[in-house]
Amino acid sequence: NAGVTQTPKFQVLKTGQSMTLQCAQDMNHNSMYWYRQDPGMGLRLIYYSASEGTTDKGEVPNGYNVSRLNKREFSLRLESAAPSQTSVYFCASSEIYAGLWGMTANNEQFFGPGTRLTVL
Amino acid sequence: AQTVTQSQPEMSVQEAETVTLSCTYDTSESNYYLFWYKQPPSRQMILVIRQEAYKQQNATENRFSVNFQKAAKSFSLKISDSQLGDTAMYFCAFMKLPATGKLIFGQGTELSVKP
Repeated sequence: NAGVTQTPKFQVLKTGQSMTLQCAQDMNHNSMYWYRQDPGMGLRLIYYSASEGTTDKGEVPNGYNVSRLNKREFSLRLESAAPSQTSVYFCASSEIYAGLWGMTANNEQFFGPGTRLTVL
Repeated sequence: AQTVTQSQPEMSVQEAETVTLSCTYDTSESNYYLFWYKQPPSRQMILVIRQEAYKQQNATENRFSVNFQKAAKSFSLKISDSQLGDTAMYFCAFMKLPATGKLIFGQGTELSVKP
C-alpha cells in the first residue's frame, strides 16, 4: 500500500507557464482534496472531490482547476502560474460514510508527501 | 464561517517534560470534529489525535491528550514525556458535520524539543 502519492515532488515554473500536479490513492477512498500550505497560514483547501465525478471549490480556488479522473486519481492544474502560487501543495484522501444520527462522518484524512512549487 | 486560531507560533520544551499547545475555534455548529496533526521536517502530515464534539470525554493517544472545552471553544494538546521525535509543526483543524471532509486548519505551532 503506497497510500497517497504525488508527482512531482519539486517544480520550478516561470510566470505564465502551466502545469498539472498529479495525485493518486490506493485506499479506495471516495473523497479527495487539494490543499496549499503557506508560512503562517496553515493549510487551505483549494478544491475537493466528495466522490468520483464531482468536484467543488474550497477556500482558495482562484487560478486552479481540478479533474477527478477516476476514483484513484485527482489532478490539480495551474493554467497560467503566478508568483502568488508559490507554495507547498498537498493532496489528501478519506472515506465519507454514514455516521451517527443519519449524518455523514469521516474517517482519518491521509495526506501525500507534498509538492514544493516555486513560480519565478 | 469557521475559523481556527493557534496563538503560539513557536514553543520549546525540554526532553521528558510536558508541554501544552493551544487552539481556539469559532463556529456556530453544534456537531463537528477537531483534530491535531503533526508535520515533522519530512513534511508528511500525520494525524495525532481526534475529538468528536458530542463526546464529553477528552481523547487520549498514548503520550498525547486533549483538553476539549466546548463552551469555551478551546481544544488544547498536551504532550507528556516529550521526545526529540516530537519536534514538528503542529496544526489544529476543524471539520463540521455532516462531513464533507473539508478541514479548516489553524496557522500552526512549531514545537522544538531540546535535549
